[in-house]
Amino acid sequence: QKEVEQNSGPLSVPEGAIASLNCTYSDRGSQSFFWYRQYSGKSPELIMFIYSNGDKEDGRFTAQLNKASQYVSLLIRDSQPSDSATYLCAVNNGRDSSYKLIFGSGTRLLVRP
Amino acid sequence: NAGVTQTPKFQVLKTGQSMTLQCAQDMNHNSMYWYRQDPGMGLRLIYYSASEGTTDKGEVPNGYNVSRLNKREFSLRLESAAPSQTSVYFCASSETGSNQPQHFGDGTRLSIL
Repeated sequence: QKEVEQNSGPLSVPEGAIASLNCTYSDRGSQSFFWYRQYSGKSPELIMFIYSNGDKEDGRFTAQLNKASQYVSLLIRDSQPSDSATYLCAVNNGRDSSYKLIFGSGTRLLVRP
Repeated sequence: NAGVTQTPKFQVLKTGQSMTLQCAQDMNHNSMYWYRQDPGMGLRLIYYSASEGTTDKGEVPNGYNVSRLNKREFSLRLESAAPSQTSVYFCASSETGSNQPQHFGDGTRLSIL
């Protein structure tokens, strides 16, 4: 079992719809969760982070965390073609005191005009 | 705002050649990281430096060495390049603490023939 799992996609949604991206993790000691966006040929860019159970909203983005279910998600409202990218979920390594992150393989999102 | 700067951006090597990838950050971050990204594999940690003067192995350290030259600079060296090391290499940095996000450079695209 991978430590951080994401559906590789592609997830295809029409412009204006809500895109829902999901991530599960195996380490119950993980405390910090990050979502990065990566355009093709570019570097990962931080878009959201969440530490507590529940929802955290930032503009069109909402991160949701459920530690009991070991599940974190990213919702993108009013999806735009410019949101088409790969979204990486990253989780801190809860088993030691280092600051390492473990990344999922990413979900590719396609927003159709 | 320069952030994290990586050089070179592209490089082609022959098997057995050596080279050093350079990384510098101007955000006064304590921690720095080197990742490689291969298709379908996500980001894999090669080495990291939690603070100036310390370095530790990540998930895939074989064939690489690192040097934390000072607080700003963290270099990655391939002593004898192999075709399996063809990849995109990203350097990242972060503040101290498990809840701190990592910020990435633009990457180095390395091909080994």
